[in-house]
Amino acid sequence: EAGVAQSPRYKIIEKRQSVAFWCNPISGHATLYWYQQILGQGPKLLIQFQNNGVVDDSQLPKDRFSAERLKGVDSTLKIQPAKLEDSAVYLCASSQWTGPPYEQYFGPGTRLTVT
Amino acid sequence: QQQVKQSPQSLIVQKGGISIINCAYENTAFDYFPWYQQFPGKGPALLIAIRPDVSEKKEGRFTISFNKSAKQFSLHIMDSQPGDSATYFCAAGSGAGKSTFGDGTTLTVKP
Repeated sequence: EAGVAQSPRYKIIEKRQSVAFWCNPISGHATLYWYQQILGQGPKLLIQFQNNGVVDDSQLPKDRFSAERLKGVDSTLKIQPAKLEDSAVYLCASSQWTGPPYEQYFGPGTRLTVT
Repeated sequence: QQQVKQSPQSLIVQKGGISIINCAYENTAFDYFPWYQQFPGKGPALLIAIRPDVSEKKEGRFTISFNKSAKQFSLHIMDSQPGDSATYFCAAGSGAGKSTFGDGTTLTVKP
């Protein structure tokens, strides 16, 4: 079974530029998550999708971040314009379940550096 | 407001020793408590998880102890090996699968 795929793995941009990350979850997983992991901290949930609908985006900075999962499969997270504090690893995870156990499977992440 | 507090921030253990990492939570609505292991350059991987109706769960060398009244849970790694050197995250889940993570513990097992 293939794992969660993410691309690119690394991205360096200047502040005020835009960037997009792509995630393809494990086949059949209805729930998809985007997390932000700042160095030295645990992952922080940005947005959660159930199929192509948003379940939770309460911690997504909506003035600059957007995400979509149009066909209920792969997803794109965009930052426009980027700020220095957006430098982090962006993790995508997927889950087969919406109830316990909430087993999440993570991709390798995209390391973003904003200069 | 940090809902899941993890300690210690870093831990050094000799090979063969016991590694203990602790977490405390505040929200009594949490009903799922997983531990994740993360190696550099990789995403977190689920290690072991427990539900609040169980006080202990063991899988191989890894054991979760859960104290519902104290709102605390811990990960014990028995016979720690250098290959266990990684960052460990506790988390607490509830609702529609949302998990809140602790800030991680960097474990170093010395040979």
